[in-house]
Amino acid sequence: KAGVTQTPRYLIKTRGQQVTLSCSPISGHRSVSWYQQTPGQGLQFLFEYFSETQRNKGNFPGRFSGRQFSNSRSEMNVSTLELGDSALYLCASSLAEGLDGYTFGSGTRLTVV
Amino acid sequence: AQSVTQPDIHITVSEGASLELRCNYSYGATPYLFWYVQSPGQGLQLLLKYFSGDTLVQGIKGFEAEFKRSQSSFNLRKPSVHWSDAAEYFCAVVPSGNTGKLIFGQGTTLQVKP
Repeated sequence: KAGVTQTPRYLIKTRGQQVTLSCSPISGHRSVSWYQQTPGQGLQFLFEYFSETQRNKGNFPGRFSGRQFSNSRSEMNVSTLELGDSALYLCASSLAEGLDGYTFGSGTRLTVV
Repeated sequence: AQSVTQPDIHITVSEGASLELRCNYSYGATPYLFWYVQSPGQGLQLLLKYFSGDTLVQGIKGFEAEFKRSQSSFNLRKPSVHWSDAAEYFCAVVPSGNTGKLIFGQGTTLQVKP
């Protein structure tokens, strides 16, 4: 079966701009979660959506937001980009309770200049 | 504070030698436990997971992990390391009642000497 697809793979943005990242989960998976990975902070949980509802949220400012569509595809948006937002953004999908584990996409590498 | 700790940031082993990567967690109730591997510039690949039952879990690529409740540990092992195992390894937990929220350790970078 097809894996988790994240687009785009690479992105360069300027400070102050906003960006939207996309994640298509494995077919049948209804949970999508997002993570930020940086050398300094490691892997940090952003938020998780299940059936179009945000079910869990990490400790990130309100500039980071997300949504999930009826087909389970998810987007995350970062507004007013800062240099510190440069990171690898990963999404993961799973069945409802994660008992099958969480399958990750290859990520979107965001560089803010 | 609730956390996941991987005490070893960097480990170097010779090819063919055995490997053990340590992971400790501090959560009240036993969380769901995972080990992931990440190659440079790539996403995370699930090696194995533990939810309940047998405390010795077999995973892919010849890896296994043992859950020890008394030590709040979930150490990853492999009897014989191959050069292709060089990567970064992450221990992760889903705290009880927080489905979908993976909390990761800092990661352990494995280098394999020929």
